[in-house]
Amino acid sequence: QLVDSGGGLTQPGGSLRLSCAGSGFSFRNYTMNWVRQAPGKGLEWISYITSSSSAIYYADSVKGRFTISRDNAKNSLSLQLNSLRVDDTAVYYCARGVSGFDHRHSYFYYLDVWGKGSAVTVSS
Amino acid sequence: SYELTQPLSVSVALGQTARIPCGGHNIGTKTVHWYQQKPGQAPVLVIYRDTDRPSGIPERFSGSTSGNTATLTIRRAQAGDEADYYCQVWDSMTVFGGGTKLTVL
Repeated sequence: QLVDSGGGLTQPGGSLRLSCAGSGFSFRNYTMNWVRQAPGKGLEWISYITSSSSAIYYADSVKGRFTISRDNAKNSLSLQLNSLRVDDTAVYYCARGVSGFDHRHSYFYYLDVWGKGSAVTVSS
Repeated sequence: SYELTQPLSVSVALGQTARIPCGGHNIGTKTVHWYQQKPGQAPVLVIYRDTDRPSGIPERFSGSTSGNTATLTIRRAQAGDEADYYCQVWDSMTVFGGGTKLTVL
């Protein structure tokens, strides 16, 4: 399972750090992601990190402001949120990724385990 | 960037079959996954790799793709199936559809 924590209330321009603890599986063998959901809106993928941290990607909406990292020794995933804006207000979910190739040799990637989410509110 | 289009809402009578479409350019060349999200809860994977069901997901849930549309089908719809449903593909990054609210009447 995944347990996320660290949300809260902050002012525009502020910072927060989210954490996600994995248990019951070999955390070091999986890619991990952060997905957020603004109030009343849909799911938005925001960041991805490979199992060894060798590759990291961000959505354009958070690039340069958010930083994803992981500590495989501690089975933990983190997201540092800086320069927060009002439109960053959302529930943030950590999620485990699974990838491979299907019968058409087409690459697939999906999120099979999700944390319960951490609420981040940015308001003055 | 790649876009997935879902209707905002779909309604189905109790016990009937609900079909939730997900449109995307040449979506048949991609592998589609589906998530169910109930109010106040995290998303749950209900279909992966177009047609596979994770353990614990009822056989009433199935997925298919034809042309430029993927479809999540829920047979014998129950009140407990009321939720938001999201399709998802990989296109150099994880892409979600906008979500469809399923109402069981």
